[in-house]
Amino acid sequence: KQEVTQIPAALSVPEGENLVLNCSFTDSAIYNLQWFRQDPGKGLTSLLLIQSSQREQTSGRLNASLDKSSGRSTLYIAASQPGDSATYLCAVRRGTGGFKTIFGAGTRLFVKA
Amino acid sequence: DVKVTQSSRYLVKRTGEKVFLECVQDMDHENMFWYRQDPGLGLRLIYFSYDVKMKEKGDIPEGYSVSREKKERFSLILESASTNQTSMYLCASSFNWGPRDRATDTQYFGPGTRLTVL
Repeated sequence: KQEVTQIPAALSVPEGENLVLNCSFTDSAIYNLQWFRQDPGKGLTSLLLIQSSQREQTSGRLNASLDKSSGRSTLYIAASQPGDSATYLCAVRRGTGGFKTIFGAGTRLFVKA
Repeated sequence: DVKVTQSSRYLVKRTGEKVFLECVQDMDHENMFWYRQDPGLGLRLIYFSYDVKMKEKGDIPEGYSVSREKKERFSLILESASTNQTSMYLCASSFNWGPRDRATDTQYFGPGTRLTVL
């Protein structure tokens, strides 16, 4: 059974710092991995999607990496800003395709001005 | 832009009431999903639908049912609400998966409905 874990559960950093959020999954046979952002009381917004054959994806100040063999993904945020404060969720779609996506519980990020 | 809307942002119901949560998407997506989100547990899939009138159970379907009479609308029904169904409910939609969709294989989420059952 696929399990997705995100550590730490919460993180507080000063503005301008580069930071890394971690995601681990137990079954390496994945179809893709996705990082989402969720603002308080809101739905999820997709940030980056990495296909199983890819190693990383970049969008602006965000870079996500994927290492299937070790069951790990990281989300790197460069030069953090207070507007980056949100919960970041990692989600894994199983390798046999289909529709089930397993979500981690998220890392709540606070960026202090 | 894809838009997924949910009928209510906040809802308060009493134990035993029948509750309908509505979700509408405007991008002609084949797939639609209902999740619930609870602190420390992340999102858990309740039901999903890959076509009109088609539905599949997710990981926690007990106490819920769904209806998809039209492609753009997916309803979640709590037949007899209970206090342990107090939660944030999130609807999502996506294109049907397949090789041609790999680049856009993402779920688009609605804003969520925070349901409180008293």
